Amino acid sequence: NAGVTQTPKFQVLKTGQSMTLQCAQDMNHEYMSWYRQDPGMGLRLIHYSVGAGITDQGEVPNGYNVSRSTTEDFPLRLLSAAPSQTSVYFCASSSPPYGYTFGSGTRLTVV
Amino acid sequence: GQQVMQIPQYQHVQEGEDFTTYCNSSTTLSNIQWYKQRPGGHPVFLIQLVKSGEVKKQKRLTFQFGEAKKNSSLHITATQTTDVGTYFCAWGDSGGYQKVTFGTGTKLQVIP
Repeated sequence: NAGVTQTPKFQVLKTGQSMTLQCAQDMNHEYMSWYRQDPGMGLRLIHYSVGAGITDQGEVPNGYNVSRSTTEDFPLRLLSAAPSQTSVYFCASSSPPYGYTFGSGTRLTVV
Repeated sequence: GQQVMQIPQYQHVQEGEDFTTYCNSSTTLSNIQWYKQRPGGHPVFLIQLVKSGEVKKQKRLTFQFGEAKKNSSLHITATQTTDVGTYFCAWGDSGGYQKVTFGTGTKLQVIP
């Protein structure tokens, strides 16, 4: 099993550009979440999903959209990139009552 | 609203010394999870506690959930250089595991 796969691993965007961070899991997990991690800080929840067709906002949802059309995929869309969105983005999935399995992350720089 | 503090923020220990990190909540937690993140890596799930007073062990790691379910700790006995990393507590929203919020983490440095 691949677990949670995130693409791309690195990305540089110009301010105002849009892009989609991809996340796929092959463990048939119900729950999926997106977190961002800024240098020296913890993880902040952006959006999460409890199943296909169901998404909800986390702590820092502004500037991001998500959709969950299948159990496996949970893409994160940056609508109009800003320098404040420079961060490492982690996608994670879980099947309760177990903890989250994380992807290896996408390092995003917005210039 | 709910506030959870994780302390200390940083800890430097000599190899072989013990290490403890704490998470303290202002309200009762339904569950608590612990994760480890190595430098440059992603968080890795260690364990979940759900019962009042629960204690679980994994080799040199001991995890506790307080009787009031407001506090939790992770204790490492006789640290090794492989223990280096940041340890996070995390908690699910009331009654569930859907929305998991992470603490600020404790960064552990082990001096050989």
